[in-house]
Amino acid sequence: GQNIDQPTEMTATEGAIVQINCTYQTSGFNGLFWYQQHAGEAPTFLSYNVLDGLEEKGRFSSFLSRSKGYSYLLLKELQMKDSASYLCAVSGDNYGQNFVFGPGTRLSVLP
Amino acid sequence: GAVVSQHPSRVICKSGTSVKIECRSLDFQATTMFWYRQFPKQSLMLMATSNEGSKATYEQGVEKDKFLINHASLTLSTLTVTSAHPEDSSFYICSASGAPKETQYFGPGTRLLVL
Repeated sequence: GQNIDQPTEMTATEGAIVQINCTYQTSGFNGLFWYQQHAGEAPTFLSYNVLDGLEEKGRFSSFLSRSKGYSYLLLKELQMKDSASYLCAVSGDNYGQNFVFGPGTRLSVLP
Repeated sequence: GAVVSQHPSRVICKSGTSVKIECRSLDFQATTMFWYRQFPKQSLMLMATSNEGSKATYEQGVEKDKFLINHASLTLSTLTVTSAHPEDSSFYICSASGAPKETQYFGPGTRLLVL
């Protein structure tokens, strides 16, 4: 079966750093994706990890440990506009196409 | 990044009518397109996966005769909600992928309200 877990909600202060965790159990693995979704909008792509380690892209970084079935998204220098839902998605099949989305983490950035 | 469009962005229809939603990849050829449904405060639920020129693969619990998917070209897929009912009211989002193991790029979504 497929199971992806994320915290439901998180709150952080503007300018701070926040880490959003994602744990997964899937029958196969061909990459882990993070998406940002503002209320009422479609998700936008943030990052992709297929090998262990940290991928840095500006204020956002994503980490993967395949042996632990674990990833996190790190957001630095938080801004008010970062208030959104963050979705972890795992590509679990052999063709790397079918995604399984986690429940999403609603992040609120406070002034 | 790649651009995916959806049309219409919002539609209101009467119960029993059919609604067609278009999904287009504007600057790349999408070998695979995905259709998701998202209810308020919930994550995306995959409805079906379609590859250009072949029949769509539907997820368990999704009625293929109710949600008709056509992927006739590498840049266009359509989802038709037939005989829509109020419980079909939802946010429908398509995504497109250019090749296996590539990321999916999402369209802006279509908000459907069935009265």
